[in-house]
Amino acid sequence: GQSLEQPSEVTAVEGAIVQINCTYQTSGFYGLSWYQQHDGGAPTFLSYNALDGLEETGRFSSFLSRSDSYGYLLLQELQMKDSASYFCAVRAYSGGYQKVTFGTGTKLQVIP
Amino acid sequence: NAGVTQTPKFRVLKTGQSMTLLCAQDMNHEYMYWYRQDPGMGLRLIHYSVGEGTTAKGEVPDGYNVSRLKKQNFLLGLESAAPSQTSVYFCASSYGQTNSYEQYFGPGTRLTVT
Repeated sequence: GQSLEQPSEVTAVEGAIVQINCTYQTSGFYGLSWYQQHDGGAPTFLSYNALDGLEETGRFSSFLSRSDSYGYLLLQELQMKDSASYFCAVRAYSGGYQKVTFGTGTKLQVIP
Repeated sequence: NAGVTQTPKFRVLKTGQSMTLLCAQDMNHEYMYWYRQDPGMGLRLIHYSVGEGTTAKGEVPDGYNVSRLKKQNFLLGLESAAPSQTSVYFCASSYGQTNSYEQYFGPGTRLTVT
């Protein structure tokens, strides 16, 4: 089976930097995605890492270490609108298909 | 493009009633998914489809059935609703196997079973 772990809640100050960690256990690993979901809204795709290293997209960056089964999402210059839940999701080969399994999410609260 | 749409947005059912949730996408995606989201549980995959006419079980398939008669539509059915099926249901789609890491989600259906 597959399992993912991420903190349930994180609080950070506006303008600061916050890191949301994700550890996973799976076989047939392909890559790690990150999604953002505002309260009452739908998840939206943020980033994907298939190889080790850092991927940067504006204020958001995502990191992957395949050897450590670990990744993180880094949010810089935090804004109030970044308050949302963030999900990591593992893409892995299972039963003939590449399946995606979501973590339970990290609720980020940005405070003034 | 409308992206992924879901019908209805809200529904209240009584135990034992049946209903069908409709998902439609206009992006010509091969893969479609149905998830349920409960507090503290994240997104759990119910069923998915890798192409027109195909369906497969996900993590929590019991009590649900699906059909993909047309490429753009993916239907989720509850034959006999139970209070444990009270949840928010999301439909999603992706281009295909190589792009399954990037899924596009619909706005969700909030279902309450009393």
